[in-house]
Amino acid sequence: KAGVTQTPRYLIKTRGQQVTLSCSPISGHRSVSWYQQTPGQGLQFLFEYFSETQRNKGNFPGRFSGRQFSNSRSEMNVSTLELGDSALYLCASSFSARTTGELFFGEGSRLTVL
Amino acid sequence: AQSVTQLDSQVPVFEEAPVELRCNYSSSVSVYLFWYVQYPNQGLQLLLKYLSGSTLVKGINGFEAEFNKSQTSFHLRKPSVHISDTAEYFCASSYSGNTPLVFGKGTRLSVIA
Repeated sequence: KAGVTQTPRYLIKTRGQQVTLSCSPISGHRSVSWYQQTPGQGLQFLFEYFSETQRNKGNFPGRFSGRQFSNSRSEMNVSTLELGDSALYLCASSFSARTTGELFFGEGSRLTVL
Repeated sequence: AQSVTQLDSQVPVFEEAPVELRCNYSSSVSVYLFWYVQYPNQGLQLLLKYLSGSTLVKGINGFEAEFNKSQTSFHLRKPSVHISDTAEYFCASSYSGNTPLVFGKGTRLSVIA
């Protein structure tokens, strides 16, 4: 069974640009969550989607957005990039919306903003 | 607001010695607790979880954790560590399973030969 796949794995952008990150969940999983990981702040929740609906949203500015498609694949977008957006962006999938089960994480997309 | 505190940012330990990684959570009537491990350049992997029932939870790779409601703690333990346990460990919580996982800032475990 294929795991959670995130693309691209690494990318470099400059301030002011925008970026789109993609996540393909494990087959059959309908819930996708996104986290930002930085050395200073640790893992911070961005948003969660279930069956194409945003179920929860973290405390991030409106420059951060996401969506989920009918096949459960998800994308997140960051517009007007800032230096502080440099981070590892992790996607996790699960079968149900309730967080009593295991979250399966991808290896992440490492974004560097210059 | 929901919060998780991992008391140690780094823990060095010699191979075959026991280890305890400490975690405290903000109190709630119904809290679910998790430990995840992150190996270098990889995503997170679930070690164990507490939802209800027995307060001693056993996980993969010989790890276990004890839920202590009075001390609002969920410390992770292993009686004898291996070099391969070197990784970052994250404690996380969710309230009633309906809120997103909130993670602690992590504890970097370094096992010394």
